[in-house]
Amino acid sequence: KNEVEQSPQNLTAQEGEFITINCSYSVGISALHWLQQHPGGGIVSLFMLSSGKKKHGRLIATINIQEKHSSLHITASHPRDSAVYICAVWDNNDMRFGAGTRLTVKP
Amino acid sequence: DVKVTQSSRYLVKRTGEKVFLECVQDMDHENMFWYRQDPGLGLRLIYFSYDVKMKEKGDIPEGYSVSREKKERFSLILESASTNQTSMYLCATTVGRGQYGYTFGSGTRLTVV
Repeated sequence: KNEVEQSPQNLTAQEGEFITINCSYSVGISALHWLQQHPGGGIVSLFMLSSGKKKHGRLIATINIQEKHSSLHITASHPRDSAVYICAVWDNNDMRFGAGTRLTVKP
Repeated sequence: DVKVTQSSRYLVKRTGEKVFLECVQDMDHENMFWYRQDPGLGLRLIYFSYDVKMKEKGDIPEGYSVSREKKERFSLILESASTNQTSMYLCATTVGRGQYGYTFGSGTRLTVV
């Protein structure tokens, strides 16, 4: 069983919809990261969280340490948000990655 | 901004060939990593290095080796490429051990035929 589980694996939405991607982990962590990977491969960091909530533009990330769960929300989704979103956790020794959620936003 | 450059975006090699994937960073980061990414499996660590001439095996080192002769360059070597090594390969670098996140290269999509 993967230590970092993401759901859903694939998500298709219409432009303007509110998107939620979930991440659950089974190890103790000191930080959780949300990453974005566009077609072509490059990965960029969106958020680093250790508690609470962070917001950047239309993106919101939350984490519940007790429940070992994080969510990434996208408000007013746009076709340019189409990408693979990856959850990664730092367990004080290694970075562990989820398998990713492939988001497609249709115009 | 830290820049991590991988030498090739797309590569096609034949079974049995020796393959070199190069990664260069333009900051003074000690820590560099090689991952492979496959659908449904996420990123899996092949090798990492915390210093020049230092290397450590990751989760899936079989069939791979690495070289770090200079701080800024970390090379992944497929000694004898096989079709099951067809994958996306990503290099990353980080300050500290990784708790602040990684900076990734743009990836090399390797196809072994």
